[in-house]
Amino acid sequence: SQQGEEDPQALSIQEGENATMNCSYKTSINNLQWYRQNSGRGLVHLILIRSNEREKHSGRLRVTLDTSKKSSSLLITASRAADTASYFCATGGYQKVTFGTGTKLQVIP
Amino acid sequence: DAGVTQSPTHLIKTRGQQVTLRCSPKSGHDTVSWYQQALGQGPQFIFQYYEEEERQRGNFPDRFSGHQFPNYSSELNVNALLLGDSALYLCASTPWGGAQETQYFGPGTRLLVL
Repeated sequence: SQQGEEDPQALSIQEGENATMNCSYKTSINNLQWYRQNSGRGLVHLILIRSNEREKHSGRLRVTLDTSKKSSSLLITASRAADTASYFCATGGYQKVTFGTGTKLQVIP
Repeated sequence: DAGVTQSPTHLIKTRGQQVTLRCSPKSGHDTVSWYQQALGQGPQFIFQYYEEEERQRGNFPDRFSGHQFPNYSSELNVNALLLGDSALYLCASTPWGGAQETQYFGPGTRLLVL
């Protein structure tokens, strides 16, 4: 079963704009992760935020976590055409990763 | 340093046949997990192998089985294929014990069942 829902399911923006996608999860967590998937291929790990953190940055990525609402958001600033991909939130660690349903991002040049 | 590798990249089978997918973990990793990703969905956990034993299993029928070899590589076997088994199959590796909190994914094997 999926861990939760991601919102929106699809997002189309112009190059240079910011993209925000949201994730809700169901169970208590130790950490939450975001992955990117290009054209239905392998998943690339982007960023991990621990349950005791509220915000984390990595380059053009900003992730927030609200454990009271069981939700997280991923912000990609100054988007590029190369950011076109599906983005998944995920919970779990080395034993099992449970993924959300994903947001399909299209960045138009 | 090679990452996670999977073979083959694509595969076409017919209903009722059997298939074997292969995975080599990232160097230094001893734990391999398999995931099934149907079109338009997020990956779903099938099972995990460590020390040549299945350690955890998701909600998949016994038609899905696996194996891990002494060199940590792994196989996923699916018997009596159904149309619904058409999916991208992803392998992920990590060191056992939580030293790394993330898993590293391979490029996947796309299986089409006709």
